[in-house]
Amino acid sequence: GAVVSQHPSRVICKSGTSVKIECRSLDFQATTMFWYRQFPKQSLMLMATSNEGSKATYEQGVEKDKFLINHASLTLSTLTVASAHPEDSSFYICSARDMAGGYSPLHFGNGTRLTVT
Amino acid sequence: SQKIEQNSEALNIQEGKTATLTCNYTNYSPAYLQWYRQDPGRGPVFLLLIRENEKEKRKERLKVTFDTTLKQSLFHITASQPADSATYLCALGGGGFKTIFGAGTRLFVKA
Repeated sequence: GAVVSQHPSRVICKSGTSVKIECRSLDFQATTMFWYRQFPKQSLMLMATSNEGSKATYEQGVEKDKFLINHASLTLSTLTVASAHPEDSSFYICSARDMAGGYSPLHFGNGTRLTVT
Repeated sequence: SQKIEQNSEALNIQEGKTATLTCNYTNYSPAYLQWYRQDPGRGPVFLLLIRENEKEKRKERLKVTFDTTLKQSLFHITASQPADSATYLCALGGGGFKTIFGAGTRLFVKA
């Protein structure tokens, strides 16, 4: 089955530093990847849609200068949290579809737990 | 705005019984509805998809119903097992790429 790998699984950093999270599709090509954020006992909130070879599409209220997305190849998208602050602490999850079209299911990475001290 | 409601209270059932989880939505006419399972500290795993023109879908011990008039989906796990204990997420989508998620219902199956 389609596998999405996400690294690192856990990051603890000091306030003001930048953190990069990688999302890879291991056995399929993904022209589009999705980045979500999840707070405890809350739903997955879509942050942005990452498009290979073009700019990401951000959801309303998500700061594009804070959450930098790069989708340089068909198998890799990265999310960089720039100058992270404690309020950025959260669970970040990426996903992708292995088939074109909105009806196909999303395959998720195992998430990155970011803690900013 | 679009809203998905899942029972925020945990569902506790005895092993062997049928678990039924509910997903209600408002201000949306989805083309499809999906159910995912999420374990603590992990990403969601896809379980089932049902389209707007389908009433029911089954996969092994899982059954999903979709009532577009009531704007509701029911997710059933028959002969539940302790290993079924997890959070189950309802997700809606249209013809485009976006999928929106409910907050999930935590299921505990006791042996």
